This record gives sequence, structure tokens and C-alpha cells, in this order.
Amino acid sequence: EPEVTQTPSHQVTQMGQEVILRCVPISNHLYFYWYRQILGQKVEFLVSFYNNEISEKSEIFDDQFSVERPDGSNFTLKIRSTKLEDSAMYFCASMLRGTGELFFGEGSRLTVL
Amino acid sequence: GDSVTQMEGPVTLSEEAFLTINCTYTATGYPSLFWYVQYPGEGLQLLLKATKADDKGSNKGFEATYRKETTSFHLEKGSVQVSDSAVYFCAFDTGTASKLTFGTGTRLQVTL
Repeated sequence: EPEVTQTPSHQVTQMGQEVILRCVPISNHLYFYWYRQILGQKVEFLVSFYNNEISEKSEIFDDQFSVERPDGSNFTLKIRSTKLEDSAMYFCASMLRGTGELFFGEGSRLTVL
Repeated sequence: GDSVTQMEGPVTLSEEAFLTINCTYTATGYPSLFWYVQYPGEGLQLLLKATKADDKGSNKGFEATYRKETTSFHLEKGSVQVSDSAVYFCAFDTGTASKLTFGTGTRLQVTL
């Protein structure tokens, strides 16, 4: 069964460092998303991506964040200069056009020290 | 603003017990409602959904009915199994490219 895969599963970094989280969405899907969940809090929408551009982003997704789909298969989330409050589980998701059903990866846990 | 409120966990039940996980939402318009489940070590998976008032979503013995008058979408199962142990997330989508608003999740632990 096709699935969304994310790497790394866990990354520990120092405050101020750049981090790239990688996702391989399901191959025929057209919409891509990043969500995050700070420990004990809600799963929050960060950004949606369609047709090689951001279609919507939340207030959390400030200038420190960027997304890219560099090669038609990977979908990456970059945090330029990490802060302590960026520590969270980051989930990638993809959707086949028109179904309304998101398929999520297992998540990448980011710990900023 | 838009939000989802779920009952806090963890919920601990014995096998074959009845399960209810409450969920209420605050949203403008007419959202679609979802329950997602996350089993240990896995990603979130869609469990069931309902797209309009009075619709009942069902899957794997779980059910939830879209109650517009009470803005609720409570998850129920008549007889839980150990394998149902997971975190359950209530969510809604107001149709903006399926951007979902989630609750905090409710951890269910089922024991023998």
C-alpha cells in the first residue's frame, strides 16, 4: 500500500541551526501539507502546497520556514534558524485531488536544544 | 476562531467496554468532520468522516454522527479491543484545499 514517508524520524539540533525535514508523498498525489504538534498541544496546520507553489500558510509559517519540491518526488520543510519553540513533531501529508482525504507520514520529531 | 475541543485523555478501558470520545467544534460555514487515528509508531490515518449534518461516518466498528445543532462529532464504539489502543484526533475541514483543524488528540488504552 502506498504511503507517505518522512526522514529523519528524530533530529536533535542546536538553537540557531538550519534543519531540513524531508517527505516523500504518495506518487500520484497533487496536494502536499506540513503540520506540526508541540508536545501535549494540538496538531497545527503550517502550509499547503499545490502546483509548485504555496496555496495557504498559517501564522506559524513565518520567514524562518520554507518549503520546496525540488525534484518532483521529495517535499521538504526547511527551518532556517531554529528556536527552542520549534521543538515539535512535524507531519507531512499528501492528498489525491478531489478526495478530501489526507495521508500522513509517521512524523519527524525535532528537538531544539 | 476555528477550533476543535476533544475530551482529555488518557482513556483507559477494559476490552469489550463501550467507548465514547467527545468532540465539539467551532467553525464558520459547513465543515466536513473527521476522526483520524494514530497507532503507535505510525502516521495519522483517516478513520471516518461525515460531510453534512446528520451524516454518520463508520469504519472498523467506530461511528460518529455529524450533529450541527450541538456542533459535535462524538466517536463511539460498542466493544473496544486491545488493538484499538491509539491516539484519536477529531478534525474539520472548511473546504480550503483540505486544510484541517485538529483537536489535541485523545489517547485510548484498552486492557485485557
